[in-house]
Amino acid sequence: GEDVEQSLFLSVREGDSSVINCTYTDSSSTYLYWYKQEPGAGLQLLTYIFSNMDMKQDQRLTVLLNKKDKHLSLRIADTQTGDSAIYFCAESNQFYFGTGTSLTVIP
Amino acid sequence: DTGVSQDPRHKITKRGQNVTFRCDPISEHNRLYWYRQTLGQGPEFLTYFQNEAQLEKSRLLSDRFSAERPKGSFSTLEIQRTEQGDSAMYLCASSSSIHEQYFGPGTRLTVT
Repeated sequence: GEDVEQSLFLSVREGDSSVINCTYTDSSSTYLYWYKQEPGAGLQLLTYIFSNMDMKQDQRLTVLLNKKDKHLSLRIADTQTGDSAIYFCAESNQFYFGTGTSLTVIP
Repeated sequence: DTGVSQDPRHKITKRGQNVTFRCDPISEHNRLYWYRQTLGQGPEFLTYFQNEAQLEKSRLLSDRFSAERPKGSFSTLEIQRTEQGDSAMYLCASSSSIHEQYFGPGTRLTVT
């Protein structure tokens, strides 16, 4: 997705927090999403945020949205080895996905 | 509910052949989406149906690609005269609302 950018790799130690960042260009996007893809598996919707919200918390996940800077982040608290996967952000208007951030959790 | 299913899971074909993939969405989901994903990339949107109507098509969907959803339930994606560049994972998703897309496991196409 040329209009959605993410850093490619992130490595954290088990128990630490992970922060995955995403920038997008379409300011008219109504919803922004975070998906998780484990090896050999389909994409799983983790959470989404409505564009008029700044923050959404869902158990260990916190989504922050800065509309002015068109910046979206996903924070995973107490990261576990089972969180190792590729994380994609996506926007709703043009169905654009980012290139994905590969999260590696070190035991 | 068994989730979104796709068939086949893998397809190997020779360049120039036609292939057809099938997607069965979650029952009662009126929206159905097709994406293509290549290694190291995020899914790229191809097309979107609401019921049987094809509402959006990406410019990525060349004349060799066609998708149908004749009765508003399952959908097929056909690629004619396949090229090596068509090798990818083809993903189908369905939803009953605009933001909760449920993805199938994908069909991996290899064009030799």
